[in-house]
Amino acid sequence: DTAVSQTPKYLVTQMGNDKSIKCEQNLGHDTMYWYKQDSKKFLKIMFSYNNKELIINETVPNRFSPKSPDKAHLNLHINSLELGDSAVYFCASRKSGAGNQETQYFGPGTRLLVL
Amino acid sequence: KQEVTQIPAALSVPEGENLVLNCSFTDSAIYNLQWFRQDPGKGLTSLLLIQSSQREQTSGRLNASLDKSSGRSTLYIAASQPGDSATYLCAVSFVNTGFQKLVFGTGTRLLVSP
Repeated sequence: DTAVSQTPKYLVTQMGNDKSIKCEQNLGHDTMYWYKQDSKKFLKIMFSYNNKELIINETVPNRFSPKSPDKAHLNLHINSLELGDSAVYFCASRKSGAGNQETQYFGPGTRLLVL
Repeated sequence: KQEVTQIPAALSVPEGENLVLNCSFTDSAIYNLQWFRQDPGKGLTSLLLIQSSQREQTSGRLNASLDKSSGRSTLYIAASQPGDSATYLCAVSFVNTGFQKLVFGTGTRLLVSP
């Protein structure tokens, strides 16, 4: 059983298009994250939701809009895609309430290429 | 500004060697430090989590240590195997930014040759 799943796995699109990436976790976690890994493999947090509420919002262009319909899902919509948006986007989840004892579980990533 | 640095950026060793990966962080006020493994084209897998009150954690051939006062952690891999080849990432939860947020290092790319 896949714990954290993302769709699609690969996404190739033209500049200016709007696209969405979906994430689902079946671990019963209540906190979910989106990370971006750039071409130099540097991984940086973008957003985090806890119980469907936004708790972390890094300095990300407002073309990126996360949406959490329920605790098990966190989707990422990107408007007006730019070349610099090409990266691997990772979803992760975690069980809160355990303080500093719980790790995050990562999905397999979505490889986005903007042409 | 909280930052995490890893050295070396890449490491190549023959099978069977013991090796050490290094991680340093700029602020000693942390909640925890974690080591992850990333295989090419795959997501991250958590290897070890050390809480701020702990000095080390062990799992099989892996041992991670934490020295908060000096802002350092090491990941020791004993008797390395080709299957250990991957990128190893260190990540820290700083008190100033909350335990929900992980700050990642740039990673060490490990190649273990048969």
